[in-house]
Amino acid sequence: GAVVSQHPSWVICKSGTSVKIECRSLDFQATTMFWYRQFPKQSLMLMATSNEGSKATYEQGVEKDKFLINHASLTLSTLTVTSAHPEDSSFYICSHLDLKGGETQYFGPGTRLLVL
Amino acid sequence: TQLLEQSPQFLSIQEGENLTVYCNSSSVFSSLQWYRQEPGEGPVLLVTVVTGGEVKKLKRLTFQFGDARKDSSLHITAAQPGDTGLYLCAGIIQGAQKLVFGQGTRLTINP
Repeated sequence: GAVVSQHPSWVICKSGTSVKIECRSLDFQATTMFWYRQFPKQSLMLMATSNEGSKATYEQGVEKDKFLINHASLTLSTLTVTSAHPEDSSFYICSHLDLKGGETQYFGPGTRLLVL
Repeated sequence: TQLLEQSPQFLSIQEGENLTVYCNSSSVFSSLQWYRQEPGEGPVLLVTVVTGGEVKKLKRLTFQFGDARKDSSLHITAAQPGDTGLYLCAGIIQGAQKLVFGQGTRLTINP
């Protein structure tokens, strides 16, 4: 399957700072990538759909000014959590869509964010 | 509203027993995936099913897609402690690109 990497794998920051998470598609050019958030003991919740060269599409209830998504190339999408607060602490996971083989999504290893 | 209902959400059984996890919806899916997720890691794809009535086997795991493509099941035979983990079903609703996840099943196999 296709390989997706995320960086950093974990980050601790102070409240009010901004954090950037990178998602790279290592062996596939992804025109569409997805960002999810997962709270402890819960399933994945889609935050936004990232389209290369255009604005991201955000799910209802997700603040687009707080979670900035940039998909500048076919292999890189970034999520920036601006002015992070403790309630933003979560596990953030990206994925990309492979339209071949049944619309499969391949997920990155995730980034654990802890805001103090 | 949960588009994809996964059950049970928690399951703890003894090694050697069989189990089935279900995912149900009122929506039709163009494809459905099953993932397994370990703590602190991203979900890892186990299987993708696309055809109504399709059955796929992966060693002791059997995946079935409902005839109407609205439901799916995961059956594990002779469960082992190594099967412990979070199992997630997810599907793409017909006509959409987004992946919809079930609530997940946290499976514990006791030695």
